[in-house]
This record gives sequence, structure tokens and C-alpha cells, in this order.
Amino acid sequence: QKEVEQNSGPLSVPEGAIASLNCTYSDRGSQSFFWYRQYSGKSPELIMFIYSNGDKEDGRFTAQLNKASQYVSLLIRDSQPSDSATYLCAVLSYSSASKIIFGSGTRLSIRP
Amino acid sequence: DVKVTQSSRYLVKRTGEKVFLECVQDMDHENMFWYRQDPGLGLRLIYFSYDVKMKEKGDIPEGYSVSREKKERFSLILESASTNQTSMYLCASSKDVAGADTQYFGPGTRLTVL
Repeated sequence: QKEVEQNSGPLSVPEGAIASLNCTYSDRGSQSFFWYRQYSGKSPELIMFIYSNGDKEDGRFTAQLNKASQYVSLLIRDSQPSDSATYLCAVLSYSSASKIIFGSGTRLSIRP
Repeated sequence: DVKVTQSSRYLVKRTGEKVFLECVQDMDHENMFWYRQDPGLGLRLIYFSYDVKMKEKGDIPEGYSVSREKKERFSLILESASTNQTSMYLCASSKDVAGADTQYFGPGTRLTVL
């Protein structure tokens, strides 16, 4: 079992709809959770981080964390074509020599 | 503005060559990281460093070594390049320990080993 799992996609969402990206992790001791966006041919950039159970909103983005179920999700409201990218989930696990573990990413495509 | 630079965007080397990948950050960050990114495998940590002259193995250190002589510079060395080291290499830096906050990535070096 991978430590951080994401559906590779592609996830196709119509413009203006809500895109929902999911991530599960195996280490129950994980403390911090990050979402990075990576455009094709570019390097990842952080868009959200969350430490506590519940929701965290930033503009059109909402990160949701459920530590009991060991999943973290990213919702993108009013999806735009510019949101088309690969989204990487990353988890900081202190029981893993304090390393951040990245998922393999979900490719999101927003169709006009 | 935050900046991480890598010495080359594209590199082609031959099997057995020694390869140096350089990374420089101008943010005075303590922590620096080297990843490789392959389709379907995501980002995998090769080595990281939390201070000058300090280094820690990541998940896939075999075939690689690193050097951090100055705070701003973190080098990845392939002692004897092999074809399975063909990949995109990404350097990153962060302020807090073990990247507990934002990691800032360089533009990447696409290495091809023939």
C-alpha cells in the first residue's frame, strides 16, 4: 500500500462546476497536509495546507481533513480552464523520519 | 520574491559519467531537498539537508550523493550515471524543519542518460 494515494485521473469537470480531489494516507501519525498544483512542464507550487480536522477555505479552494478516516480532499469551486493541472497531495509524517511524502497526483481537466 | 534556481533545465549524459546538479536558493532557508519525478510514481525524495554539511537519506538515495558546503547551495551528484536515472529532478527549499511549511521548488532539470 502506498503511503499517500491519489486517483491518477484524468478527472474531467465542466467549467463552473466543483472539482473534488481526494487523497488518503496510511500513517495515522501524520500531522500536516498540503496540496500542490503542478502545470504541465512546470514545478509544483503550494496552494493549500491544513493541519486540523475540518475545512479550510481560501478563495475558490477548500481543503478538508478527516484524520479519523485518514483522508484529505481539495474542492475547487467555479472551476476555470486555468485550474487544469496535476494536483499533488503531500503529507508530513513525523514517524517517517520527518519526511514529506507526496502522492503521485491527480490530473484535472476543466472542459469549457 | 522567493527563488530557487537549478543549474540546467535539460541535460544529456552518457552511462558512467559523473553528473552534478546544482541548486541555489536565495531565501536563507535551512532545509533543502532533492526529488525525482517520474510518471505514475510522483515525487520521490532522494536526499535532504537541514543545515550546512548535514544530509539525510530520503526514500531512494541509492546511486546518488549530495553536498551542502554553503547554506544556499545544495548539489546532487550521480557518481556513475545509469539509464534508470533518466528523470526530472526537482530541488526544493523550506524554512521550517523537514518542510513542515511551504516547499519552494526550482524549475527542474530533465536529465537523460544515454
